Amino acid sequence: QQQVRQSPQSLTVWEGETAILNCSYEDSTFNYFPWYQQFPGEGPALLISIRSVSDKKEDGRFTIFFNKREKKLSLHITDSQPGDSATYFCAASAGGTNTGKLTFGDGTVLTVKP
Amino acid sequence: AQTIHQWPVAEIKAVGSPLSLGCTIKGKSSPNLYWYWQATGGTLQQLFYSITVGQVESVVQLNLSASRPKDDQFILSTEKLLLSHSGFYLCAWSPTGVEQYFGPGTRLTVL
Repeated sequence: QQQVRQSPQSLTVWEGETAILNCSYEDSTFNYFPWYQQFPGEGPALLISIRSVSDKKEDGRFTIFFNKREKKLSLHITDSQPGDSATYFCAASAGGTNTGKLTFGDGTVLTVKP
Repeated sequence: AQTIHQWPVAEIKAVGSPLSLGCTIKGKSSPNLYWYWQATGGTLQQLFYSITVGQVESVVQLNLSASRPKDDQFILSTEKLLLSHSGFYLCAWSPTGVEQYFGPGTRLTVL
């Protein structure tokens, strides 16, 4: 059973629109949720993260909304730019240990059309 | 500032041949280190993690091994490559064991 699920698999928006990427998880011990942005041929870059004690985290045009009861979170990218076109991964871990085991979703490929 | 370097950038190897990939972290002492594998167009799968020099824990068995000979160095290796080893290998580091920062990766093609 996949522990972290993302939807949609791919998303196309126009420049200036808000892109909404969804993520859900199974393991109730997960308490740390980072989002990574990956461009082709590069390593993923940590974009923004949230801990389960919060329900919202904002950083510029990127906002995470978190619903602990429903085990769901979403990444909102406002005023989307063509340079935001990339694959976005939602990940989860049960913080508090040194193992740092991150479980990743399958990713959402975002295309922003000019 | 911390920097993470992976070598080589890319490799093309024959099935059955040995492999050694490296990762170096500069600017941070005693980081947690991780190896990940990513199939083309796929998700990331954690392979190994290391909290300290000389200690490596395996997360997934893929006929690979890892070692940490120095505080700032993490090595991934195998004596005999399989076709299924092809993919993108990523090294990551963490100052606390929570947030992780990835390196540029090594593209491996096994023929």
